[in-house]
Amino acid sequence: AQRVTQPEKLLSVFKGAPVELKCNYSYSGSPELFWYVQYSRQRLQLLLRHISRESIKGFTADLNKGETSFHLKKPFAQEEDSAMYYCALQGGKLIFGQGTELSVKP
Amino acid sequence: DTGVSQDPRHKITKRGQNVTFRCDPISEHNRLYWYRQTLGQGPEFLTYFQNEAQLEKSRLLSDRFSAERPKGSFSTLEIQRTEQGDSAMYLCASSHHGDTTEAFFGQGTRLTVV
Repeated sequence: AQRVTQPEKLLSVFKGAPVELKCNYSYSGSPELFWYVQYSRQRLQLLLRHISRESIKGFTADLNKGETSFHLKKPFAQEEDSAMYYCALQGGKLIFGQGTELSVKP
Repeated sequence: DTGVSQDPRHKITKRGQNVTFRCDPISEHNRLYWYRQTLGQGPEFLTYFQNEAQLEKSRLLSDRFSAERPKGSFSTLEIQRTEQGDSAMYLCASSHHGDTTEAFFGQGTRLTVV
């Protein structure tokens, strides 16, 4: 069965601090993993995908198949990073974790 | 084409009534997804289509929920005999075929059952 787990509902950090949003998954096949973000009053939108191995807005995420994780990281958080972050897995259908609210304080 | 659009944006209905929501995906997208989201939760998968074929429907979804995509373009989600527990945001998303492609979301339809 496909499952995505985000253990933290809320993560609060100060501006300039490092951030790590955790994501673990369960999938029997080869997973395609994504991070989506929802800023206040905006639509859910793609932040990054594991296959691209890209850095978007300073965020990176590495797929660790051994630990079945896809944690999202940023070395220096900014206030504008405050949003809801959802980890997602695609194996045919696209499913989402419960989300982590990131709050970056000045 | 300005993206995925959903109609209506808000719907208030009495318990027991039927409601229907519409989603217009991005025109060249052949995949279309429906999700339900309640406060503090992530999008919960309901069903998805590739063109007009419904490929999967969540086992958690009761028989009161049905979705169609008759011509492989727009889709409708119908809820029959609504219950208070159906109150939620219903999200639609579309993407081009391929597991690594981006899904684009609509603004959602907020349903309130009173």
